[in-house]
Amino acid sequence: EPEVTQTPSHQVTQMGQEVILRCVPISNHLYFYWYRQILGQKVEFLVSFYNNEISEKSEIFDDQFSVERPDGSNFTLKIRSTKLEDSAMYFCASRTGGGVDTQYFGPGTRLTVL
Amino acid sequence: AQSVTQLDSHVSVSEGTPVLLRCNYSSSYSPSLFWYVQHPNKGLQLLLKYTSAATLVKGINGFEAEFKKSETSFHLTKPSAHMSDAAEYFCVVSPKAAGNKLTFGGGTRVLVKP
Repeated sequence: EPEVTQTPSHQVTQMGQEVILRCVPISNHLYFYWYRQILGQKVEFLVSFYNNEISEKSEIFDDQFSVERPDGSNFTLKIRSTKLEDSAMYFCASRTGGGVDTQYFGPGTRLTVL
Repeated sequence: AQSVTQLDSHVSVSEGTPVLLRCNYSSSYSPSLFWYVQHPNKGLQLLLKYTSAATLVKGINGFEAEFKKSETSFHLTKPSAHMSDAAEYFCVVSPKAAGNKLTFGGGTRVLVKP
């Protein structure tokens, strides 16, 4: 069964460094998402992406964040200058579109900012 | 605006006994509702979804949920818990609109005792 994959599973970085989290959505999916879960808190929506542009973003998704679909398979989340409070589990999700609203999630990347 | 409240952060059951996970939602739209499960070190897996067809929804692994509009509830049940049901469960709401940003409840961690 096709699944969403994410790499790395765990990333440790120093405050102020740039990180790129990578996702490979399910191949025929058209809508892509990033969510995050800070330890002990709810899963929060960050951004949705369709047709090579952001369709919606949350207040969390400020200028330090960017997303890109550099080729036909990868979907990346970049944090330019990480802060301690960016430490969280980051989940990628995708869905087909065409009225089907079920999102399929990857296993997550745990980001630790020191 | 939409929100989800999971009424129990932890539920402990004995193997073979029923499981009830409670969820209340609010939504400005006619929503789609989902239950996802997360096993340790795994991604979020879809258990079931409600999209305005039958109010009693059957999912994988013997789970089902009932949509009650008058009570704005979408409780998840299983008649007989299995050890493999130990996981965290998330109730999720999404508007039936473009973008489909998901809003998560806080999660319920299920412990199954032998």
